[in-house]
Amino acid sequence: VQLQESGPGLLKPSETLSLTCTVSGDSISNYYWSWIRQPPGKGLEWIAYTGYSGSTNYNPSLKSRVTISADTSKNQFSLSLTSVTAADTAVYYCASPKSQSNNCFDYWGQGILVTVSS
Amino acid sequence: DIQMTQSPSSLSASVGDRVTITCRASEGVSTSLAWYQQKPGKAPKLMVYAASRLDSGVPSRFSASASGTDYTLTISSLQPEDFATYYCQQYFSPHFTFGPGTKLDIK
Repeated sequence: VQLQESGPGLLKPSETLSLTCTVSGDSISNYYWSWIRQPPGKGLEWIAYTGYSGSTNYNPSLKSRVTISADTSKNQFSLSLTSVTAADTAVYYCASPKSQSNNCFDYWGQGILVTVSS
Repeated sequence: DIQMTQSPSSLSASVGDRVTITCRASEGVSTSLAWYQQKPGKAPKLMVYAASRLDSGVPSRFSASASGTDYTLTISSLQPEDFATYYCQQYFSPHFTFGPGTKLDIK
């Protein structure tokens, strides 16, 4: 399984962050597929997942600004984060779970650094 | 949400040392606990899942266990490639949460 993030690396405050994860080697119709971020020098924060029949789940601290969606025809899933601030500057990873019963993250993309700066 | 804490936050050790990192969940997560290793500039690597199961290819010097809401990751004999930051993660709750990390560096 391979995952690859894509999207703009530089945003201005108040803009919307939009990232796409392209998956190869497995179908995104299986399991739950997540976005995770890591601010520079800090720890990991799970953002959201999508999977199984379009089900979604969001980190409560980000829920009001986040939308995750999937395009099964392209085997991609996407993240939208509105009204970004400098606090949203981070490396954003997409990740897949180890199995249906173990929703820890087995495969990760390489990560994409998104910087929010005026 | 379930909060995860880790101790210590940082640890200095030497090659060949035995080290143990602890993770504590604010409430029960059963065996839905994973450990990751992360090196600078790289994505995290899954080391342990289901609290005590080593992922494929993880050296046997790594072991993990659980007791109540406390989870431990032990490296029996540190190798140079083991110096990294380690994170725990619970996936019992659908709002997945990570511990703050333990940075393991060379003494």
